[in-house]
Amino acid sequence: NAGVTQTPKFRVLKTGQSMTLLCAQDMNHEYMYWYRQDPGMGLRLIHYSVGEGTTAKGEVPDGYNVSRLKKQNFLLGLESAAPSQTSVYFCASSRTADTLGGYTFGSGTRLTVV
Amino acid sequence: GQQLNQSPQSMFIQEGEDVSMNCTSSSIFNTWLWYKQDPGEGPVLLIALYKAGELTSNGRLTAQFGITRKDSFLNISASIPSDVGIYFCAPANYGGATNKLIFGTGTLLAVQP
Repeated sequence: NAGVTQTPKFRVLKTGQSMTLLCAQDMNHEYMYWYRQDPGMGLRLIHYSVGEGTTAKGEVPDGYNVSRLKKQNFLLGLESAAPSQTSVYFCASSRTADTLGGYTFGSGTRLTVV
Repeated sequence: GQQLNQSPQSMFIQEGEDVSMNCTSSSIFNTWLWYKQDPGEGPVLLIALYKAGELTSNGRLTAQFGITRKDSFLNISASIPSDVGIYFCAPANYGGATNKLIFGTGTLLAVQP
């Protein structure tokens, strides 16, 4: 029972390159989220999805795009990476609004943009 | 906009000591959650509070939901080395359409054996 799986775990990009981070969950959760974690700033919500085919902006969406074509997958894209996007990225999922405490997080992707 | 303050930012303690951390918000919430993040891992839920004034324990952890609904604290008694990590408060409004959590800036806990 894998829970939430993020790939890759580590990546180094050059400024201007693009990449996609993949999040997969096997719990049949409706809601999925992408957060970034920076020192002293906690976890900030980038984008989220309340179901297959839906996406919405979070607190810090600029420079990122997302897609949720399949219920189990939530993709985070960086079209033109910038050094300010150096961070640790976490994906999370939850069943519905009535299980508010039930966020399950992946183990993170550490991204460095040089 | 909404402000969420978590303190202290970091704590360096000896094994066996008690620890206390808290979060305060400029907004009212009906749910307060506390998460712990082990080094190199994602956060894991420790305690959930759903009622103002509620005091909940989970082993050596005790958390309270403030009466004003704008704050919460987490206490850890008799700390041990495996308590090391970052602790986050995460308030929300239960029953909302998006089930979105807001996270505090975290408290880094280091425990010296």
